[in-house]
Amino acid sequence: KAGVTQTPRYLIKTRGQQVTLSCSPISGHRSVSWYQQTPGQGLQFLFEYFSETQRNKGNFPGRFSGRQFSNSRSEMNVSTLELGDSALYLCASSFSPEGSGAFFGQGTRLTVV
Amino acid sequence: AQKITQTQPGMFVQEKEAVTLDCTYDTSDQSYGLFWYKQPSSGEMIFLIYQGSYDEQNATEGRYSLNFQKARKSANLVISASQLGDSAMYFCAMREGRSYGGSQGNLIFGKGTKLSVKP
Repeated sequence: KAGVTQTPRYLIKTRGQQVTLSCSPISGHRSVSWYQQTPGQGLQFLFEYFSETQRNKGNFPGRFSGRQFSNSRSEMNVSTLELGDSALYLCASSFSPEGSGAFFGQGTRLTVV
Repeated sequence: AQKITQTQPGMFVQEKEAVTLDCTYDTSDQSYGLFWYKQPSSGEMIFLIYQGSYDEQNATEGRYSLNFQKARKSANLVISASQLGDSAMYFCAMREGRSYGGSQGNLIFGKGTKLSVKP
């Protein structure tokens, strides 16, 4: 059974640009959550999707957005990138929001220069 | 107030010995779940073990066990027979239970403990 796949693994962008990250959950999982990890703030919740609906959103500016497709794949988009957006972005996949397993992908390391 | 507290920023353990990583949590929900993850330097977050708030037995997964003390709101991870490959960051996380309008699926993480296993 394939795990959670995040693409791309590494990304370098310039301030002001936008970026789209992709997450393919484990087959059969319908819940996808996104997290930002930085040395200063640790792991912070961005948003959660279940059956194409955003169920929960963390405390991030509107520049951060996401969506989920009918096949449960999810994308997150960051517009007007800032230096502080440099982070490891992790996606977690669960069968349901209440699931006892939450499995992460390898993450996308975004560097904004 | 922090919902997940990991008081040990770093720990050392001798290879083949057992080690306990501390985690305390704060929630007013009756239904919640507790998770432990391992994050090697590569960055991937590896799921280790899960404990539900209503589970009566402590969770175990191979060399990992979770010492769940509900009244103390503590969920310590015990790693038996440490191996060099156990050197990594370890994160405790909580998923809170149902709130009005639906359950909360997101995880709340602690700041982590860096475990170093010495040969």
